[in-house]
Amino acid sequence: GENVEQHPSTLSVQEGDSAVIKCTYSDSASNYFPWYKQELGKRPQLIIDIRSNVGEKKDQRIAVTLNKTAKHFSLHITETQPEDSAVYFCVLEGDSGGSNYKLTFGKGTLLTVNP
Amino acid sequence: ETGVTQSPTHLIKTRGQQVTLRCSSQSGHNTVSWYQQALGQGPQFIFQYYREEENGRGNFPPRFSGLQFPNYSSELNVNALELDDSALYLCASSLGRRRARSGANVLTFGAGSRLTVL
Repeated sequence: GENVEQHPSTLSVQEGDSAVIKCTYSDSASNYFPWYKQELGKRPQLIIDIRSNVGEKKDQRIAVTLNKTAKHFSLHITETQPEDSAVYFCVLEGDSGGSNYKLTFGKGTLLTVNP
Repeated sequence: ETGVTQSPTHLIKTRGQQVTLRCSSQSGHNTVSWYQQALGQGPQFIFQYYREEENGRGNFPPRFSGLQFPNYSSELNVNALELDDSALYLCASSLGRRRARSGANVLTFGAGSRLTVL
């Protein structure tokens, strides 16, 4: 079945530095790759997404890149701030059968931004 | 516009018992998905309901079952609870179609129900 590997599991940066989270996947026909942010004790929230017909998307300090041939995608956060501290999940939509009702989450990256 | 609400927020059960978790979807949404999030892990897909019918299921045993009502609210039922069922159960609603195009499954999550099985 589909699987997504996410690295690193924890990431600590100084305020103002950049943070990069990488994900690889296999066995998926997914064409949609959202990223969710989950602050401690709170619900996951969609922060950015990318579709397979584009290679990069940017929204203010957040950018995502996608290499569908190599089956990897990444989240880039620039000028990090303490409020960026949270767990970030890369996500695949769908399964190998082509259905798109299911989201498969990575195991998450705990990002800590130190003031 | 109201968001996704879940109840109860916390509950404690013992092995072998049964539990029912409830979810009210966001106004205007017709699809509800349930996810199980174990401590330190990403959410795992349990199943999805679209217009009162199951629209897909993850790798969970039959003792996990669900319902969706005409107002699109939903229940998750778990029978014969096991210790490993301890987790945060997240409900998420979306506006979808049975054969929705890719990327239509944008989820709005509730805050979850924290289940502890002793």
